[in-house]
Amino acid sequence: SQTIHQWPATLVQPVGSPLSLECTVEGTSNPNLYWYRQAAGRGLQLLFYSVGIGQISSEVPQNLSASRPQDRQFILSSKKLLLSDSGFYLCAWTRLTGAYEQYFGPGTRLTVT
Amino acid sequence: EDQVTQSPEALRLQEGESSSLNCSYTVSGLRGLFWYRQDPGKGPEFLFTLYSAGEEKEKERLKATLTKKESFLHITAPKPEDSATYLCAVNSGGSNYKLTFGKGTLLTVNP
Repeated sequence: SQTIHQWPATLVQPVGSPLSLECTVEGTSNPNLYWYRQAAGRGLQLLFYSVGIGQISSEVPQNLSASRPQDRQFILSSKKLLLSDSGFYLCAWTRLTGAYEQYFGPGTRLTVT
Repeated sequence: EDQVTQSPEALRLQEGESSSLNCSYTVSGLRGLFWYRQDPGKGPEFLFTLYSAGEEKEKERLKATLTKKESFLHITAPKPEDSATYLCAVNSGGSNYKLTFGKGTLLTVNP
């Protein structure tokens, strides 16, 4: 069976500090991978998606970047955090069959102070 | 552009009081409509995929139905443990398999 991991679970960082969030998927190969941010009352905002190693598409211009160094690893980064980067960050993967439903990781709660 | 609207934003029920959540969608060629459950501080948990109008799926006290313009999530005799935010999403196809999500319905079931 497939499993998706995210770490860390929670993070408190000062403004201007760097960020690295990691997501890994087990039990599947060549998945599509997604990063979302969820703010209170605003729903899920798609930030980046990747259809393969080194292939990143950005949905929203912002202070963040993403990388996919390995098939089942997806990293969300920032060089300098802003207060507005606070939120709940979710990684998801798609099974490339059927209707392409997405499966989510447990999330990372980021607070920028 | 695909759009998903969920209503109501919040719903409070008494234990055993059945009700329905609504998901209205606009999409150019539906590939699939999805329902998720999200508990506070956790990632969304996949519940159902509906592919075409007339289709129904059931899981315990939940039943999802689909028409050409909307989907309903019926909750029969809910229990407090059914309290969560329920998210609806659609996929209109394309090479990147992106989903469009609604903002969710926060369901609270009181004992």
